[in-house]
Amino acid sequence: QSALTQPPSASGSPGQSVTISCSGTSSDVGGYKYVSWYQQHPGKAPKLMIYEVSKRPAGVPDRFSGSKSGYTASLTVSGLRAEDEAEYYCSSYAGSNNWVFGGGTKLAVL
Amino acid sequence: QVQVVESGGGLVKPGGSLRLSCAASGFIFSDYYMNWIRQAPGKGPEWISYIDSSSSYTNYADSVKGRFTISRDNAKNSLFLQMNSLRAEDTAVYYCSRAFFYDSRTLGYWGQGTLVTVSS
Repeated sequence: QSALTQPPSASGSPGQSVTISCSGTSSDVGGYKYVSWYQQHPGKAPKLMIYEVSKRPAGVPDRFSGSKSGYTASLTVSGLRAEDEAEYYCSSYAGSNNWVFGGGTKLAVL
Repeated sequence: QVQVVESGGGLVKPGGSLRLSCAASGFIFSDYYMNWIRQAPGKGPEWISYIDSSSSYTNYADSVKGRFTISRDNAKNSLFLQMNSLRAEDTAVYYCSRAFFYDSRTLGYWGQGTLVTVSS
């Protein structure tokens, strides 16, 4: 399985919105509802922020939202805050008990 | 609360072996499939292995197939990863992961990870 494609970096000023894309294929992002987004701060484990394309786990602020169109999923962070600065990874179920991840997007809050 | 704690990482020479463990608590371990995921320095996570709740079915990424073996002991709430013929490119933090909820295909719960370094 090939990795999902994410832009290496994204940035925004406090209060602004930023959207991160995640491109896959019909075998992963386009084929399943199981697209997830993770936030990772340095030295920490990834934290689930979005699951099943657009659902938020309890405790995740509603500033984080997800969507999908075709083979591309997106994560939008609205009302940027300093603590949102982190690496973000997308992931998709790819069938037959396989999962694929993106290479990550480093979000900078300027 | 759901908790998974990895252990067993360390420094090993190329060609060597290592066995990782993952201790689970806060849920009925025998109800859930489990996975191992790794993350090389500066890279994105990579799913490497899956085992179903009863150990009837396992699956591996091509990068580790034939060298790594996943197993579990439901009586001891533990998951394992036996790693043989280790290579420099296996250097990574290894995470144990549980589905977000029963029968979900979201890798929702991760441990803090254990670092494996393969170097001479």
